[in-house]
Amino acid sequence: GAGVSQSPSNKVTEKGKDVELRCDPISGHTALYWYRQRLGQGLEFLIYFQGNSAPDKSGLPSDRFSAERTGESVSTLTIQRTQQEDSAVYLCASARERADTQYFGPGTRLTVL
Amino acid sequence: EDKVVQSPLSLVVHEGDTVTLNCSYEVTNFRSLLWYKQEKKAPTFLFMLTSSGIEKKSGRLSSILDKKELSSILNITATQTGDSAIYLCAVRNTGTASKLTFGTGTRLQVTL
Repeated sequence: GAGVSQSPSNKVTEKGKDVELRCDPISGHTALYWYRQRLGQGLEFLIYFQGNSAPDKSGLPSDRFSAERTGESVSTLTIQRTQQEDSAVYLCASARERADTQYFGPGTRLTVL
Repeated sequence: EDKVVQSPLSLVVHEGDTVTLNCSYEVTNFRSLLWYKQEKKAPTFLFMLTSSGIEKKSGRLSSILDKKELSSILNITATQTGDSAIYLCAVRNTGTASKLTFGTGTRLQVTL
């Protein structure tokens, strides 16, 4: 594809529900990152995938957060039992390889009521 | 823990003005510094800097890195209303993830 795509663009959910966010990276990009941006704050690193290597999960804030990636394609970020503090924009980025420039998707705005 | 601080937090200028945005960092095993422009949700890449003292330029935007001072500046000359955005600075270390650590950004508003 021409760029990184994410879906849905907006998600409103009730506290306690599970949500799944999707990221389609640029074709051929082996590295994929998830970030979270709370209102008025910078981006926080969540998780990193590189090819078939074990992901770097060091940024996940709690065990309610998990992510998967199938090979070098689509990734899903799952948040279980959502809390109001999970409300944020979740951004996905991909790169040709680990040290290359990261290109961001349009993000998913998650609102937990 | 890696840290990035940007200043000012926000800035309002008139069209045609020149602005300088600042970024300072503390990072273990520095690899590179990146600038992004964020207008709505998706940050768009502007520059990646790895070497000190070498200016990168793209149109009216330019940026330079000072590794001795652990800082970078982003200059925008002859500002236009379309430059209004949040400008994000991020640093990358040499760790296996090459994750980016972001500052909170500078919100620039260019008025007529």
